[in-house]
Amino acid sequence: DIQLTQSPSSLSASVGDRVTITCQASQGISDYLNWYQQKPGKAPKLLIYDASNLATGVPSRFSGSGSGTKFTFTISSLQPEDIATYYCQQYEDLPTFGGGSKVEIK
Amino acid sequence: EVQLLQSGGVLVQPGGSLRLSCVASGFTFSSSAMSWVRQAPGKGLEWVSAISGSGATTYYADSVKGRFTISRDNSKNMLYLQMSSLGAEDTAFYYCAKDAGPGIGALPGWFDPWGQGTLVTVSA
Repeated sequence: DIQLTQSPSSLSASVGDRVTITCQASQGISDYLNWYQQKPGKAPKLLIYDASNLATGVPSRFSGSGSGTKFTFTISSLQPEDIATYYCQQYEDLPTFGGGSKVEIK
Repeated sequence: EVQLLQSGGVLVQPGGSLRLSCVASGFTFSSSAMSWVRQAPGKGLEWVSAISGSGATTYYADSVKGRFTISRDNSKNMLYLQMSSLGAEDTAFYYCAKDAGPGIGALPGWFDPWGQGTLVTVSA
């Protein structure tokens, strides 16, 4: 199985801050990496696919980059509605998810 | 609007069996691969199983292989997950999800949208 390691596992930032989450794969996965947002009590929602492509209807303050084994997810200006847990997911093989990164407002 | 609606939560005894269901609308169901993803309470996401649009190809996580069976009825736009030999480790929210991206070969790509989730509790 391909392991995905996310960091940090949690963070606290102020409204308007730039927030960055990393996802490290245990082997090269090209750009077969997606990002999801999960708000408390809700199902996950696709934000980014193929490492850097914004899903339909997702605000442009969200972005992703990377290839191979190291990937980055960024919120350019944190908004109160962005409070959630974010997960990366690879599909180079059978899907696996990272452990999640919980984002809170300071 | 693409929608996935799941059956309600359930309590089952250890060693028992259960079938989850998910009804799809708003897209050509028979052309879409589907997956089940689960999440133990307070934990992360775990992909469980996938099925091709025709139902001919299926995939399973090692943790459920031999115990769970994924299936679909394209005439009813229904996705199922038959679960057996259930243990406490299977307690989780189970989400059905549409495979929205071209994976490698027939493997799943990305998941969009997701159903609302069904809580399965395995307890005596």
